[in-house]
Amino acid sequence: SQQGEEDPQALSIQEGENATMNCSYKTSINNLQWYRQNSGRGLVHLILIRSNEREKHSGRLRVTLDTSKKSSSLLITASRAADTASYFCATDHTGANSKLTFGKGITLSVRP
Amino acid sequence: DAGITQSPRHKVTETGTPVTLRCHQTENHRYMYWYRQDPGHGLRLIHYSYGVKDTDKGEVSDGYSVSRSKTEDFLLTLESATSSQTSVYFCAISESYGVGIQEQYFGPGTRLTVT
Repeated sequence: SQQGEEDPQALSIQEGENATMNCSYKTSINNLQWYRQNSGRGLVHLILIRSNEREKHSGRLRVTLDTSKKSSSLLITASRAADTASYFCATDHTGANSKLTFGKGITLSVRP
Repeated sequence: DAGITQSPRHKVTETGTPVTLRCHQTENHRYMYWYRQDPGHGLRLIHYSYGVKDTDKGEVSDGYSVSRSKTEDFLLTLESATSSQTSVYFCAISESYGVGIQEQYFGPGTRLTVT
């Protein structure tokens, strides 16, 4: 399976702290994407990083990509209670014909 | 939110009955996807479409069929529902510019229970 693996599976932090989530994958990619899912809702796209990029920022989000290690990290700075959600990485693998492979997700809880 | 709707939003059906879920988009995106989400498995691709009447299988396609007769509609059919198909089903849409697929936009989901 090409399914990515996120780490940790669950993360609990205090409001104001930073949250770091990791994703590893097995085969070469065109891009890697991070999504958020609030309870009972559909997934929402957060950020896309291409295989030739190493770092990308969007507001309080910072994503890094290391293609030599086949891994990515998502950093949420100054977390808020509203950041409580599940986070998924998704990979667009080379030759995958416009399909994304999603990981199993990370559950983030931000305590007020 | 991107213009994606799913119907029905909730459905309870009996084992052996056929079920059709509908995904409708107003974004004119080329690609449409059906996923199922189950605890411990994350999101798994059932079928996807890369154009009108162009579809292909995903990771967990057994027991499911799809049809896309118009750009805006993508139907998922369970020919004879089984309890293992109890799940939350998500539709997603996307475009592709250059190399690779762009971000996917997801519908609100359909919660299907097969008794």
